[in-house]
Amino acid sequence: DAGVTQSPTHLIKTRGQQVTLRCSPKSGHDTVSWYQQALGQGPQFIFQYYEEEERQRGNFPDRFSGHQFPNYSSELNVNALLLGDSALYLCASSWDLAGHTDTQYFGPGTRLTVL
Amino acid sequence: DQQVKQNSPSLSVQEGRISILNCDYTNSMFDYFLWYKKYPAEGPTFLISISSIKDKNEDGRFTVFLNKSAKHLSLHIVPSQPGDSAVYFCAASRDNAGNMLTFGGGTRLMVKP
Repeated sequence: DAGVTQSPTHLIKTRGQQVTLRCSPKSGHDTVSWYQQALGQGPQFIFQYYEEEERQRGNFPDRFSGHQFPNYSSELNVNALLLGDSALYLCASSWDLAGHTDTQYFGPGTRLTVL
Repeated sequence: DQQVKQNSPSLSVQEGRISILNCDYTNSMFDYFLWYKKYPAEGPTFLISISSIKDKNEDGRFTVFLNKSAKHLSLHIVPSQPGDSAVYFCAASRDNAGNMLTFGGGTRLMVKP
């Protein structure tokens, strides 16, 4: 049973560029959440997707957008990259229980470096 | 405004002894709490959770205690093993939903053989 997978593992971009990160949820999961983890800090919630719609959003600017596909996989897009966007981006999947999310399982993350 | 805080960035414990990791929160709307463990180059792994209607939850060597009046929770690991060495994050959510997790900054646990 494959867990949560993310691609790519590492990515280097320059300021102003755009980036797309990808996530495949654990088998049987239908909800995907994205988190940003800066160095030495805990993960911060970006947003959550369920039924191809953004269900909840954390305190992140509109430069951060996402998408969920019919197979439940998801993408995180960041436009106009800033140096401060350098972080580990974590995807977590879970099973929706009538609007409540069951335990979230995390992927290994994508390390984004913005130069 | 850090709503979930782990005030000890690191903790060192001898193998076989008890490890106690602490977490404080400020938002009284939080009613579901979780602990995750993270090894380098891996994503956080779920350990144990507790709902605000309970004050204790046990799973093998791991026990989480919740003190709602003090807005404090702790994770006890007994006995500690070298393989427990990792960064531990506490997380909280509202409405028992677990949808949007708010994480603390993490505590690095080192269990010495």
